[in-house]
Amino acid sequence: NAGVTQTPKFRVLKTGQSMTLLCAQDMNHEYMYWYRQDPGMGLRLIHYSVGEGTTAKGEVPDGYNVSRLKKQNFLLGLESAAPSQTSVYFCASETLSGSPRDEQFFGPGTRLTVL
Amino acid sequence: GNSVTQMEGPVTLSEEAFLTINCTYTATGYPSLFWYVQYPGEGLQLLLKATKADDKGSNKGFEATYRKETTSFHLEKGSVQVSDSAVYFCALLGGSEKLVFGKGTKLTVNP
Repeated sequence: NAGVTQTPKFRVLKTGQSMTLLCAQDMNHEYMYWYRQDPGMGLRLIHYSVGEGTTAKGEVPDGYNVSRLKKQNFLLGLESAAPSQTSVYFCASETLSGSPRDEQFFGPGTRLTVL
Repeated sequence: GNSVTQMEGPVTLSEEAFLTINCTYTATGYPSLFWYVQYPGEGLQLLLKATKADDKGSNKGFEATYRKETTSFHLEKGSVQVSDSAVYFCALLGGSEKLVFGKGTKLTVNP
């Protein structure tokens, strides 16, 4: 199993450009998440999905869109990148385990710089 | 809503020193508690977890006990190594709530 993979690993954008980050998981997990990590802020949830075809907003959704057309993939889009979106982006997935909840599995991250 | 308060760092120790990183939480019900570790340049990895009160999670010499009476999940290791240098995140997951992280504690272990 590859676990959770993210593409690309690094990217530099100019302000106003668009891009899509791809997350893929091969564990048949129902839940998938996108986080951003900034110095001194920990991880903050951008958007998440509880199943194929469903998405929901997290803590910091503005400026981002997501899609979950296939269960194994979760895409994060930036339509018009801004310097404030310079960050490290992590994808995670989790199985539907009921109670108690189980761990989330994280990808290796995408380091995005917006100039 | 749920929240996690984690000891702020950075923490610098000498090799073989004792480590404690404090973590307390606020939550309704009975959440699951986690410690994740992030090594330089990498993603987060689960270090240990506990899913009910009085459970002790352990891995790689690290331990943490789920204390409901003090709403705490402190991370401890008796003898740290240089290879333990990383950022450690306490996290909480409960019911329909999303995973809630502490802000992370950077640990540096010097030889």
